[in-house]
Amino acid sequence: DGGITQSPKYLFRKEGQNVTLSCEQNLNHDAMYWYRQDPGQGLRLIYYSQIVNDFQKGDIAEGYSVSREKKESFPLTVTSAQKNPTAFYLCASSIAQGNQPQHFGDGTRLSIL
Amino acid sequence: AQSVTQLDSQVPVFEEAPVELRCNYSSSVSVYLFWYVQYPNQGLQLLLKYLSGSTLVESINGFEAEFNKSQTSFHLRKPSVHISDTAEYFCAVSGGGSQGNLIFGKGTKLSVKP
Repeated sequence: DGGITQSPKYLFRKEGQNVTLSCEQNLNHDAMYWYRQDPGQGLRLIYYSQIVNDFQKGDIAEGYSVSREKKESFPLTVTSAQKNPTAFYLCASSIAQGNQPQHFGDGTRLSIL
Repeated sequence: AQSVTQLDSQVPVFEEAPVELRCNYSSSVSVYLFWYVQYPNQGLQLLLKYLSGSTLVESINGFEAEFNKSQTSFHLRKPSVHISDTAEYFCAVSGGGSQGNLIFGKGTKLSVKP
């Protein structure tokens, strides 16, 4: 079955450390997204990519970085510059530009040690 | 700027009762409207969407939502809920702006009790 796989499900970060969250899709979708979810806050867009080797900042990109070297993969790095990284991170995809996210992964919960 | 307001953070109901989850939006441009559902410790699933055409849209599991332009609302309804409908529901709006820039509401937790 096609879908989005996020790993790991739970991740712990030490202060000052960079961590990378994995997102892989086998839906052949062009567009991929990263959202951050905080309790009672809904979802906020971090980065999105419409096509391989291209990505754009969302509303809260500071302290994060991404790459899109392959169509199937859109990893998110949470850098030490992100001062409040504890959150639930969701990766999503859509079939093409102009479409809103239709498929979401099951998320990665990041916590600070 | 666009915004979405979900008026109720929590909605408890008994099984087989009707439910309405309220969503209001503000936007100066034409919008697309969405409802997503999130089950515990999972990602979001698209429940239904309004892009154009009929203002009443339905999902495969009995939910429906009606786009009301004059009231800038997109309330989600189900005439008879099941225990399995217990989840958090997010309303979202998109219109112009950057690709993928859905604006989400803060969510409504629906708890269905036996």
